[in-house]
Amino acid sequence: DAKTTQPPSMDCAEGRAANLPCNHSTISGNEYVYWYRQIHSQGPQYIIHGLKNNETNEMASLIITEDRKSSTLILPHATLRDTAVYYCIVRLNTPLVFGKGTRLSVIA
Amino acid sequence: NAGVTQTPKFRILKIGQSMTLQCAQDMNHNYMYWYRQDPGMGLKLIYYSVGAGITDKGEVPNGYNVSRSTTEDFPLRLELAAPSQTSVYFCASSSSTGRSNQPQHFGDGTRLSIL
Repeated sequence: DAKTTQPPSMDCAEGRAANLPCNHSTISGNEYVYWYRQIHSQGPQYIIHGLKNNETNEMASLIITEDRKSSTLILPHATLRDTAVYYCIVRLNTPLVFGKGTRLSVIA
Repeated sequence: NAGVTQTPKFRILKIGQSMTLQCAQDMNHNYMYWYRQDPGMGLKLIYYSVGAGITDKGEVPNGYNVSRSTTEDFPLRLELAAPSQTSVYFCASSSSTGRSNQPQHFGDGTRLSIL
């Protein structure tokens, strides 16, 4: 699986868009980009995943660059409940490998 | 709407005791996983299973055993509890289609302390 690099922490004002970057320069052609988050000590929660095209669901949008070497998770209107650790994971047919993720703090 | 159910939620064990952490899913997922998470760290894979009767080791399998006799259940066994196994344990499940891996669904975790 390709390795990912994420900033250790970010702040975002409540109501603003949160843009979380992820670098995965060694991604292979068939590997998907997944985003999960973990709120406090709960179990990780799936957010979104994609291969090449940008994806959007009720929680977030995923923007993948054309060369697929990086991606951005966008929470369009961050709330205090979005404060969590966000994990970017690249994989194909293997179990998830969690790094340290980005700790997002949404500030009122 | 149960999803992945883990029991117990909390447990304190003495060194050398044994116990089984239970995990059940009602989504008919063929893939199941066990992770552990130490304080301030990411999740580490202990064991996983791609279907009933099939299990495989993850990154940190030592000190643990698993079995998968049914699609729904994937228990994790600690035979001789050690302080290093104090952690939060998460079970997860997923289906798998031909074209893309489906996301994993996680339980709420079992918080285990070994004293």
